[in-house]
Formats: sequence, C-alpha cells, structure tokens
Amino acid sequence: DGGITQSPKYLFRKEGQNVTLSCEQNLNHDAMYWYRQDPGQGLRLIYYSQIVNDFQKGDIAEGYSVSREKKESFPLTVTSAQKNPTAFYLCASRGGQGGNQPQHFGDGTRLSIL
Amino acid sequence: GQSLEQPSEVTAVEGAIVQINCTYQTSGFYGLSWYQQHDGGAPTFLSYNALDGLEETGRFSSFLSRSDSYGYLLLQELQMKDSASYFCAVRDMDSNYQLIWGAGTKLIIKP
Repeated sequence: DGGITQSPKYLFRKEGQNVTLSCEQNLNHDAMYWYRQDPGQGLRLIYYSQIVNDFQKGDIAEGYSVSREKKESFPLTVTSAQKNPTAFYLCASRGGQGGNQPQHFGDGTRLSIL
Repeated sequence: GQSLEQPSEVTAVEGAIVQINCTYQTSGFYGLSWYQQHDGGAPTFLSYNALDGLEETGRFSSFLSRSDSYGYLLLQELQMKDSASYFCAVRDMDSNYQLIWGAGTKLIIKP
C-alpha cells in the first residue's frame, strides 16, 4: 500500500543535541512538507520541497534543517538552536499541482526534551 | 496578514447535524480545504472548495462564499467516530500556494 512513513513515533532530545526525524513516501509525489503542531493549535509549516534537490523555508524554519536528495525521502533535523522543540511533527506529501490535490500525512513523530 | 478563525469547540448529539464555521483573511485566496484529525493521529483530507457553493461528499458537505471570506463544514447523521478536530486551511497565492491552517475545532459528540 502507498503511504507516508514517519519514524520514530516517539523521540527524546537531550540539551545541545541534534535529532533527525525520518519521512519516507512511496506515493511518487513531488512535493513534501514538514509541519509542527503544538497542543490545541493548527499546523505550522517548517519547510517544504516541491522537487528533488530543492526546498524552501516555511513560517517557522529557524532551528530546523532539511534535505531532499531523493524523491522518496525528506528528513528533518531539529538542531540545538531550536530552544523549544517539544511538539508533534507531521510530514506530508502532495501529488500534482491542482488546488484540489490534498496533502497526505504520516502518523507523526512526538518529540520531547529530556 | 493572513489569519483563519474557527470555533475552538463544538458539541453535538449523535445523529444530529453540526456546522463548523471558518472565516479567513488572506490577500491571495486560492481555495479552502477541510481536514479531520483524531486525537494523536494524522490529519486526513475531507474536502476542497475553490468556487462559491456547496460540495457534498456523503455525510459531509463544505460551503464557500468568497465574497464573505467564509466557509463551513456540515456534518450530518453524526456518529461517535466523528469525534475529532476539524481544521480549515486556505491555499494562498501570496504564500507560494502553501496551506495556512486554522487552529482547529474540537467536535464533541454525546450519545
């Protein structure tokens, strides 16, 4: 079955540590996204990529980095510069350019500080 | 700036009809989407409106009025499994066509 796989489901970060969240899709979608969700809040865009080897900053990119070396993969690194990383992180992908093309989401990674 | 407003919580009874409203303020509106998210889960797409009017998909319908910068999601014949958070999201030309999300409406369904 096609879909988006995020790992790990839960992740703990120590002070001063960088951590990387994995996102893999087999939907053959060009566009991929990373969102952050805080309790009781909507989704905020961290980074997005519309094609391999290209990505753009979203609204809250500071303290995060990404790469898009393969169409299937869009890992997110939460760096030590991100002082408040505790949140639910969601990866999504989207096929096609039409406005009605939905985003498909992974099951998320819950990141906490030790 | 860009903003979306939706009620934080709505309560309804099983079998009833409920409407979740969304008003938006964007400079380059391109379309309005609705997503459902169960607690701890992934958002799933429900509907999309680019033009004024009503779109119906089974028990769910979505409405858009671009002149009023307003839309709503209508859920009919409510079932307990519909208990979830519902998000409206606007695709905005001035944000490079990326989605801008509302804070979500938690729908509580009572038997």
